[in-house]
Amino acid sequence: AQTVTQSQPEMSVQEAETVTLSCTYDTSESDYYLFWYKQPPSRQMILVIRQEAYKQQNATENRFSVNFQKAAKSFSLKISDSQLGDAAMYFCAYELVTDSWGKLQFGAGTQVVVTP
Amino acid sequence: DAGVTQSPTHLIKTRGQQVTLRCSPKSGHDTVSWYQQALGQGPQFIFQYYEEEERQRGNFPDRFSGHQFPNYSSELNVNALLLGDSALYLCASSSRDHSLNTEAFFGQGTRLTVV
Repeated sequence: AQTVTQSQPEMSVQEAETVTLSCTYDTSESDYYLFWYKQPPSRQMILVIRQEAYKQQNATENRFSVNFQKAAKSFSLKISDSQLGDAAMYFCAYELVTDSWGKLQFGAGTQVVVTP
Repeated sequence: DAGVTQSPTHLIKTRGQQVTLRCSPKSGHDTVSWYQQALGQGPQFIFQYYEEEERQRGNFPDRFSGHQFPNYSSELNVNALLLGDSALYLCASSSRDHSLNTEAFFGQGTRLTVV
């Protein structure tokens, strides 16, 4: 069974600074997707960034980038130039690209606090 | 595009009762997945519907059941409610057409409180 682990319950960052969130996962599969989702107090999950396991290049989306280490089963998220609007719960998620397509497995989440 | 819409937004039920939650997927999406998110935890996969059939199921008892309609909307039913069923229930829609972006879009959830 696949598991997703986020070991940081909370991370604090000052505006304009950089914060890195950690995620590790356990799988014996080779073809999968990894995601970072943001959940603000409005409760709606918003996709931040997505990484296909077959791609060696790390995904980037504006101020958000990942460090994908497939052999180490590590998938960290870096938020650069942090803004007050980045404050939210961040979830790492895994999706197997087979019959389990569309079934996301989430970690426990990391609360990001942004201070002025 | 209204995105994924869920109703109701909040619900209070008594232990032992039954509840039905509703989800309308994003336009163009044909697959609906349901998740349970307990307070302070990550979402847990309940089940997924495609072509009006349950395609995948997580580790949830038979008290949790669902349905998908021809217009792709979906319902989640929970019977014999327990206090432990109190949670945020999230609906996510996506498309089986892999020529499209397979990103899942989430609704804002239904907050269920069982008393």
